[in-house]
Amino acid sequence: GAVVSQHPSWVICKSGTSVKIECRSLDFQATTMFWYRQFPKQSLMLMATSNEGSKATYEQGVEKDKFLINHASLTLSTLTVTSAHPEDSSFYICSASISAEPTDTQYFGPGTRLTVL
Amino acid sequence: AQSVTQPDIHITVSEGASLELRCNYSYGATPYLFWYVQSPGQGLQLLLKYFSGDTLVQGIKGFEAEFKRSQSSFNLRKPSVHWSDAAEYFCAVAPKTSYDKVIFGPGTSLSVIP
Repeated sequence: GAVVSQHPSWVICKSGTSVKIECRSLDFQATTMFWYRQFPKQSLMLMATSNEGSKATYEQGVEKDKFLINHASLTLSTLTVTSAHPEDSSFYICSASISAEPTDTQYFGPGTRLTVL
Repeated sequence: AQSVTQPDIHITVSEGASLELRCNYSYGATPYLFWYVQSPGQGLQLLLKYFSGDTLVQGIKGFEAEFKRSQSSFNLRKPSVHWSDAAEYFCAVAPKTSYDKVIFGPGTSLSVIP
């Protein structure tokens, strides 16, 4: 099956710094990538949807200036948490799909654990 | 409002026993339905999905799910559980118009007793 990687798998940073998380589709071209946030013992919450070459679409309540998403190529999307604070600590998961059509399977990355001190 | 509920937060079963994980949804129209499994250190993996047609869907790893429109349910089943099935299971729905509003249920944690 298709493989999606995330880097780093975990990161610890100081409050006020920015952190970039990469999401790569290794063996297919992903027109659409999704970013989720998962709190401990809770479900995934969709943060934003990004299509290659265009601006990301953010879900209601997600600060686009804090969570910068770039989808520069068909195999790479990045999420930058700017001026991170302890409340941004979470598990961030990306997924990639050939398109935004529901019939196309989303392939999920293993996630990135962010801890902000 | 659209929602997905998984009534069981945690389930423990003995290895070899049968399993049923419940999922109910509230949606304006029948959405696309999915079951995912999340194991520690691994990404979510799609077990099966229902788009239309036969309401009994076969998936990977011996799982199946049945869509019941009258009950707005999409329960996941497995006749004989293996210890490696211990994981977090998520039911999810997506509107038929677009993938960008996928909603995940709260998840059910499965423990398997040897």
